[in-house]
Amino acid sequence: DAGVIQSPRHEVTEMGQEVTLRCKPISGHDYLFWYRQTMMRGLELLIYFNNNVPIDDSGMPEDRFSAKMPNASFSTLKIQPSEPRDSAVYFCASSRWDRDEQYFGPGTRLTVT
Amino acid sequence: SQQGEEDPQALSIQEGENATMNCSYKTSINNLQWYRQNSGRGLVHLILIRSNEREKHSGRLRVTLDTSKKSSSLLITASRAADTASYFCATDQGGSEKLVFGKGTKLTVNP
Repeated sequence: DAGVIQSPRHEVTEMGQEVTLRCKPISGHDYLFWYRQTMMRGLELLIYFNNNVPIDDSGMPEDRFSAKMPNASFSTLKIQPSEPRDSAVYFCASSRWDRDEQYFGPGTRLTVT
Repeated sequence: SQQGEEDPQALSIQEGENATMNCSYKTSINNLQWYRQNSGRGLVHLILIRSNEREKHSGRLRVTLDTSKKSSSLLITASRAADTASYFCATDQGGSEKLVFGKGTKLTVNP
């Protein structure tokens, strides 16, 4: 398996623009997690899905953030409109039903100017 | 406050020395995991220890867990320059489906 795939790897956008981050989890994994990592706040869980259903979105900072998982092999995290404080590295991770290990993607480095 | 707190925040050692990192947490857990992150990369799972285990080994890694003190340690023996990375502990909160990560220990192994 190729592992968790994220795209784009880097995104530079202007404040107010819509940003869409994409993730393909490992085939057969039941859970998908979206994280944000910054120097100040560390690694924060934004939202996670179980079998494509959003379970906990309490980490989503604002209504500007939304996430979907239309099928078992694809998820998106959308920020609309983007703000400079959204600049961070966004990781997607997936795990099997037992959740004994999370497999992380390479991340998307987002810069909002 | 954050569930997992690593200590120290940064550690610099010479190749061949042992590196010890500690993690404290606040609530009951079912398991505790350690992850490594190389610069600019995603996190990689190293080892999981369950709440009924006290010690676990994997290659040059040794993890201990003391649930009475709500703490864990990660020991890397005979360190190598390639071990240079940030190390994070992650805990489930009483068996929650989600993990809470600490802010990590940045380890530098000098050749």
